[in-house]
Amino acid sequence: NAGVTQTPKFQVLKTGQSMTLQCAQDMNHEYMSWYRQDPGMGLRLIHYSVGAGITDQGEVPNGYNVSRSTTEDFPLRLLSAAPSQTSVYFCASSYEGQRTYEQYFGPGTRLTVT
Amino acid sequence: KQEVTQIPAALSVPEGENLVLNCSFTDSAIYNLQWFRQDPGKGLTSLLLIQSSQREQTSGRLNASLDKSSGRSTLYIAASQPGDSATYLCAVLSLVTSGSARQLTFGSGTQLTVLP
Repeated sequence: NAGVTQTPKFQVLKTGQSMTLQCAQDMNHEYMSWYRQDPGMGLRLIHYSVGAGITDQGEVPNGYNVSRSTTEDFPLRLLSAAPSQTSVYFCASSYEGQRTYEQYFGPGTRLTVT
Repeated sequence: KQEVTQIPAALSVPEGENLVLNCSFTDSAIYNLQWFRQDPGKGLTSLLLIQSSQREQTSGRLNASLDKSSGRSTLYIAASQPGDSATYLCAVLSLVTSGSARQLTFGSGTQLTVLP
């Protein structure tokens, strides 16, 4: 298993540009989520999905869109990038049928918006 | 709303020392607590997961305890080594406030430096 994969690893955008951060998992996990990590603030939940076709907002959803058309993929879209979205983005997944609900994280995408 | 606090924010110790990292959370209705390690510029490595019904978990030189009623967890590292230098993050899994899904809430981390 590749686990949770994220692409790209690094990205530089200009203000106003849009892009999609990709996240995929091959563990057949129902639950997937996106976090952003900023210095001194820990990781904060952006959006999450409990299964294909179901998504919901987390703590900091503004400026981001998600969709979940398959169990494997959970892309995060930045509609119009702003410097405040400069951050490291992590995708995570977990198996809902396992009572430990252990979260598995991808390697992250470092995004800079100029 | 769940809040997670980690103390201290930074810690520097000489090699060989035993040390304790602290984590506290405000809502005791949790599913589990995970300790992660993060090296500079890297992703998160899961170290230990304690389910809400458990009191502690051990892996090698690491031991994590959980006192759900008081909202506290500690990560004990025995015989520290320079390779242990990293940021350690504590995260609790609990229900999302407005829904039925689960959410990880992270602390800000403890930056550990082990001096040779």
